Amino acid sequence: SQQGEEDPQALSIQEGENATMNCSYKTSINNLQWYRQNSGRGLVHLILIRSNEREKHSGRLRVTLDTSKKSSSLLITASRAADTASYFCATDESGGSNYKLTFGKGTLLTVNP
Amino acid sequence: DAGVIQSPRHEVTEMGQEVTLRCKPISGHNSLFWYRQTMMRGLELLIYFNNNVPIDDSGMPEDRFSAKMPNASFSTLKIQPSEPRDSAVYFCASSFYPGELFFGEGSRLTVL
Repeated sequence: SQQGEEDPQALSIQEGENATMNCSYKTSINNLQWYRQNSGRGLVHLILIRSNEREKHSGRLRVTLDTSKKSSSLLITASRAADTASYFCATDESGGSNYKLTFGKGTLLTVNP
Repeated sequence: DAGVIQSPRHEVTEMGQEVTLRCKPISGHNSLFWYRQTMMRGLELLIYFNNNVPIDDSGMPEDRFSAKMPNASFSTLKIQPSEPRDSAVYFCASSFYPGELFFGEGSRLTVL
């Protein structure tokens, strides 16, 4: 079953603009992760934010987490054509030795040159 | 490290045939995952191994699917017999629990 749901499903912007993607989830989590998938490739980990963190930065990426609203956002600043990809949030509901990471269906980002 | 290695990258087979997908995880990782990706259902977790032991196989669709991890450096996902609805991209991923997942490039399966 899907835990995280990304919004919007698709986003098209011009190079240089900022892109914001949102993720909502339903149950308590240990952390939330964002991944990127280029067409025809495997997923690549971008950033992890723990449940006790509110904001995290990595280069042009900024992730926020609001556990009271069960939501997260991924902001990509100064977008480039190379940022064109699908972006997925994944929620970690692990307990004990049972690692449970559930992915949403993703946001397809298109950055036009 | 070469990353997670999956084979074959592409497989086209006929309904009823056996399909075996292979995965070599990153050395030192203690967790291995098999996911299936389709347009309709997105990315679904099929099975998860920790220290070569299957921990959660609740995502395996039915008895036609089986997965093994005989040692820390190799895993297989087998479908027998295959059906057209099994057509999807199958990903293997590994991690050092409870960290980020490293994905292979996937095996695209087409069942005619």
